Amino acid sequence: NAGVTQTPKFQVLKTGQSMTLQCAQDMNHNSMYWYRQDPGMGLRLIYYSASEGTTDKGEVPNGYNVSRLNKREFSLRLESAAPSQTSVYFCASSEEAYRGSKPDTQYFGPGTRLTVL
Amino acid sequence: AQKITQTQPGMFVQEKEAVTLDCTYDTSDQSYGLFWYKQPSSGEMIFLIYQGSYDEQNATEGRYSLNFQKARKSANLVISASQLGDSAMYFCAMRDHNTGNQFYFGTGTSLTVIP
Repeated sequence: NAGVTQTPKFQVLKTGQSMTLQCAQDMNHNSMYWYRQDPGMGLRLIYYSASEGTTDKGEVPNGYNVSRLNKREFSLRLESAAPSQTSVYFCASSEEAYRGSKPDTQYFGPGTRLTVL
Repeated sequence: AQKITQTQPGMFVQEKEAVTLDCTYDTSDQSYGLFWYKQPSSGEMIFLIYQGSYDEQNATEGRYSLNFQKARKSANLVISASQLGDSAMYFCAMRDHNTGNQFYFGTGTSLTVIP
């Protein structure tokens, strides 16, 4: 039971290059999320997927696209990377909705440290 | 408007002492969940403790407890008997159960445990 996995762990891009961050979870969660973390700003939501087949914009979606490939996998794509996208990216998953006594805790992957030169 | 406010950017505590990290939240939902996460220098986000809005008892998990004051909309984390390994960033988060799937995070508190 690996929880939430992310690849790659580190990446360096040049301005204008594209890349896809991969995320997978084995907890049978319906909801998945992508966040970025910048110094002093906490976690900001980029996109989320409440369930397979749906995606919604979060607080900072510009410059990103997502794909919910299946229930397990949720990828984040940077089409044309910019230095402002240098950040640590976290994928997370949770139950879709509160189910009474069971906490709807969100679990995180280990993060991807992305540098755009 | 800020959903989660953590007003202490940095805190220091002596080893073996207790420390309280503050968190206030803003919601009009009656049903919501409150969470605390720890982020050590290695970077991973570790779930610590959960409090549901309808839970009558304050949540406890080992040395962690959550001081939940619903009327004041505060959910402070109390760490008892601090250890050097508790030095980390701590984030408070909330999820409204009726108005969507998003989780809202505060900006975090950096805790340093002094030997």
